[in-house]
Amino acid sequence: DGGITQSPKYLFRKEGQNVTLSCEQNLNHDAMYWYRQDPGQGLRLIYYSQIVNDFQKGDIAEGYSVSREKKESFPLTVTSAQKNPTAFYLCASSKGDFGNEQFFGPGTRLTVL
Amino acid sequence: GQQVMQIPQYQHVQEGEDFTTYCNSSTTLSNIQWYKQRPGGHPVFLIQLVKSGEVKKQKRLTFQFGEAKKNSSLHITATQTTDVGTYFCAENSGGSNYKLTFGKGTLLTVNP
Repeated sequence: DGGITQSPKYLFRKEGQNVTLSCEQNLNHDAMYWYRQDPGQGLRLIYYSQIVNDFQKGDIAEGYSVSREKKESFPLTVTSAQKNPTAFYLCASSKGDFGNEQFFGPGTRLTVL
Repeated sequence: GQQVMQIPQYQHVQEGEDFTTYCNSSTTLSNIQWYKQRPGGHPVFLIQLVKSGEVKKQKRLTFQFGEAKKNSSLHITATQTTDVGTYFCAENSGGSNYKLTFGKGTLLTVNP
């Protein structure tokens, strides 16, 4: 089965702890993305990566970090510096050519207590 | 970066009624994409429009791109309960091949 997997589906953390969200794709896509979704806010881009070992900040990168050591994987770390980390996090990938559709994973709902 | 304004934010219809959501920009868009997110699910790509005045149809869904490429619409004819969800438009930000800027979405609910 080709697709994007995110784990876990639900995640709970205490305030002040860093947490890493996993995203894996077997679509052989070059580009990968992380979005944050809050009620009534649509999707906001956190980071994206066009190719292995390269990534760029999106619109709301503060308090987050990423790595892209393998084509298939694009983990997101939510650091303790993120002031309001409770949200639904979506990972996506695309072929990377102009205007290509993005394929989304099922998402991880993070709750920081 | 560019912003796309999407209206309405919510729409409740009776099954069988039509539904339209609009996406507007103050600047010319290179292209526009539409996604659907079912409740509790993740966004799924519906279509991309590139050409001025383009109209595309998928069964009961009709997508339009304005002549000036500053607005787009999604129209659903005779809604069904399976149409429930949030519909997002998205555009490539500032000419980037990769970055998409999403509208805030229109949540459609359908009363059977």
